[in-house]
Amino acid sequence: DQQVKQNSPSLSVQEGRISILNCDYTNSMFDYFLWYKKYPAEGPTFLISISSIKDKNEDGRFTVFLNKSAKHLSLHIVPSQPGDSAVYFCAAPNSGYALNFGKGTSLLVTP
Amino acid sequence: NAGVTQTPKFRVLKTGQSMTLLCAQDMNHEYMYWYRQDPGMGLRLIHYSVGEGTTAKGEVPDGYNVSRLKKQNFLLGLESAAPSQTSVYFCASRTRLYEQYFGPGTRLTVT
Repeated sequence: DQQVKQNSPSLSVQEGRISILNCDYTNSMFDYFLWYKKYPAEGPTFLISISSIKDKNEDGRFTVFLNKSAKHLSLHIVPSQPGDSAVYFCAAPNSGYALNFGKGTSLLVTP
Repeated sequence: NAGVTQTPKFRVLKTGQSMTLLCAQDMNHEYMYWYRQDPGMGLRLIHYSVGEGTTAKGEVPDGYNVSRLKKQNFLLGLESAAPSQTSVYFCASRTRLYEQYFGPGTRLTVT
């Protein structure tokens, strides 16, 4: 049973606008969350993370919000740029060894 | 610093053939992982290792074997390839922090 869920397979946003990518999780023991970005024919690259003791973490144009009561996190990209077009994966560590990944959301930023 | 490298980048196998995928990292990381990515499935963990000489099964280990004889290398073997093993394979490594660093991937087709 998938413990990290990304229910939107794709998202299209205009350049300069905000992109919001959502992620839900079922395991209340998760205490750390990560977002990865993946371009075609490349490996995923780490983007941003958040600990469960925080509700927000910001890094430049990227902000991740965590709502523990709703078991929900979101990644905001402001402003969106065409180079942000990629697949974004939400992930959470499992027993400290491996990562549980969501199925990914494909973001397309149009000029 | 090359990070995580994978060999080969592409391979086509016939059903029943065997092969070994090589992952190498130069970051002195203890933990190493093998994932597969299939369309609409996200990344699924095949096997992982928490140190030289150790290996453990992940979510989808059947049909694969692994070895970690040297800290910097993690090998993934397919003894008798099947069409269901057509996928993109990613290797990753990490330190004690949660962030994993991924290789560029190996695209494997089994006919």
